Amino acid sequence: GESVGLHLPTLSVQEGDNSIINCAYSNSASDYFIWYKQESGKGPQFIIDIRSNMDKRQGQRVTVLLNKTVKHLSLQIAATQPGDSAVYFCAENFGNEKLTFGTGTRLTIIP
Amino acid sequence: GAGVSQSPSNKVTEKGKDVELRCDPISGHTALYWYRQSLGQGLEFLIYFQGNSAPDKSGLPSDRFSAERTGGSVSTLTIQRTQQEDSAVYLCASSPKNGGGGYTFGSGTRLTVV
Repeated sequence: GESVGLHLPTLSVQEGDNSIINCAYSNSASDYFIWYKQESGKGPQFIIDIRSNMDKRQGQRVTVLLNKTVKHLSLQIAATQPGDSAVYFCAENFGNEKLTFGTGTRLTIIP
Repeated sequence: GAGVSQSPSNKVTEKGKDVELRCDPISGHTALYWYRQSLGQGLEFLIYFQGNSAPDKSGLPSDRFSAERTGGSVSTLTIQRTQQEDSAVYLCASSPKNGGGGYTFGSGTRLTVV
């Protein structure tokens, strides 16, 4: 069936270090993936996306990697800051309008 | 407005009562989505509106849930005869185009059924 899962529910990283958040998906037909950041009491905020015909995409301090062979998606955050503390969700799209979200990973930046 | 606005931000209701949750999408966005987020969980799709097309209601968990979108703008999610398991954060998002991500989410309505 279709599913989006995360390997780790929580992740603690020292401020200034890099962090990697992982996500596994099962639907090989997924053609679009998105990472969202959700801070406490707020709705998810779009971070970065990647289409299935790409392996890597970079933004400001963030990089998303897509490995279609093993159906794995990762979000790398460079030089983490306290403001990066949040829950991060990956989501996938199968060519329709609905996004399927994973459970999320709580990232805590340790000062 | 500048973002997606949801009201109320918090709602406490007694079991068995009906509730209405409101979403004002970004002006000009043709697509509107409702998701539900239970504590510590991901987002569960509920319903999707796109322009004048019939809504995709495939995610509504029961017939107690319904939603409408008037004039292609404001949407109302109604839950009838609320149950304790309906307690969650209800998130609305809008998008300027059909398909793909890039949704803009509101801050949600936290519903507590007591």
